[in-house]
Amino acid sequence: SQQGEEDPQALSIQEGENATMNCSYKTSINNLQWYRQNSGRGLVHLILIRSNEREKHSGRLRVTLDTSKKSSSLLITASRAADTASYFCATDGATDKLIFGTGTRLQVFP
Amino acid sequence: DTAVSQTPKYLVTQMGNDKSIKCEQNLGHDTMYWYKQDSKKFLKIMFSYNNKELIINETVPNRFSPKSPDKAHLNLHINSLELGDSAVYFCASSQEWSEQFFGPGTRLTVL
Repeated sequence: SQQGEEDPQALSIQEGENATMNCSYKTSINNLQWYRQNSGRGLVHLILIRSNEREKHSGRLRVTLDTSKKSSSLLITASRAADTASYFCATDGATDKLIFGTGTRLQVFP
Repeated sequence: DTAVSQTPKYLVTQMGNDKSIKCEQNLGHDTMYWYKQDSKKFLKIMFSYNNKELIINETVPNRFSPKSPDKAHLNLHINSLELGDSAVYFCASSQEWSEQFFGPGTRLTVL
């Protein structure tokens, strides 16, 4: 069955606001990754956080990982219209394959 | 330069036909993948190859057959296409088990 569940399924905000997406997973992991998918395009890797890390930053992105709760969050600060996309978390478990979450569709209005 | 490329981008075909999708990566990665993304955007791995060897083979009908002539190419051949095969198929590659680089996708429509 699917590993990751994301919340919310859809999020609409104004430019300049922050966007927070959450991901929950079921089994132990080595690392967790976040990807972005623009409409009609392939996925683009955003950030990878290892199981022994709690927080990671990359530009306007901040990712947290709580392995005790089996959850992660992606925060996009000062959002822009260009951030409009679907965002997926992906985890690797014992099976050496990435399991993708259901995705959050983010709409940023100018 | 395109890192991971797929052809064709769109594929419209009749039920029962056989079709192939090609994938090439110029990143020098050892591992390549095929994913299927359904209409609800759910992305699921189908196959993974490492240095031309099959290492992941999910529960996929045997009408789907991947072929890796060399580590830069992973093609997907589909026999006897069915309506339920309609989806977007993504190729990806990675070095070891790290971030994956995705191709632009092939939208397959079976009529």
